[in-house]
Amino acid sequence: SYVLTQPPSVSVAPGKTATITCGGYNIGSKSVQWYQQKPGQAPILIIYYDSDRPSGIPERFSGSNSGNTATLTISRVEAGDEADYYCQVWHITNDRVFGGGTKLTVL
Amino acid sequence: EVQLVESGGGLVQPGGSLRLSCTASGFTFSAYEMNWVRRAPGKGLEWLSYISSGGNDIYYADSVKGRFTVSRDNAKDSLYLQMNTLRADDTAVYYCAREMHGYSSDIWGQGTTVTVSS
Repeated sequence: SYVLTQPPSVSVAPGKTATITCGGYNIGSKSVQWYQQKPGQAPILIIYYDSDRPSGIPERFSGSNSGNTATLTISRVEAGDEADYYCQVWHITNDRVFGGGTKLTVL
Repeated sequence: EVQLVESGGGLVQPGGSLRLSCTASGFTFSAYEMNWVRRAPGKGLEWLSYISSGGNDIYYADSVKGRFTVSRDNAKDSLYLQMNTLRADDTAVYYCAREMHGYSSDIWGQGTTVTVSS
């Protein structure tokens, strides 16, 4: 099975930049998605195809993917960005694999 | 409004069964692939199952293979998840989600809670 590794937690001060990584073997060859989930709410797609944003997602959210690491970058972090973030890829076994999730704390 | 609404969750004893439903509105349900995803208490998102738009292609995570069955009725704009031989570790919020670009899920339901306990 394919494993995606995320840091359990990331902390950042308001107005600063948060970086959340997603590690996986040769993940650069895959299309990576990122989701945001706040307590009691359904997940929201914030990045697809490594770096594309669905309509309505602020430009502060960006993604990149190369080698064995995909990265979600949140610029000018706001209190409302505090949430759990998940990366996800499609694997050759047809599984849709999620990373373990990263809890973003805004200090 | 594009929307997915899950139903059918509840309390069930270990070894029991439950059938979840997901009703779509605001889009052409029959044109889209669909997934089931869950989140157990204190854990992250876990993909469970995929079904193609016509229902011909189906895949499952190893954790539910042989116990869960996904199906759909495009005439009723509905997706289903039949869950058998339920275990305590199946306790979770279950979401249906529409699949879009690059295997992403762009629309999610609000979730339905399944609790497996005696």
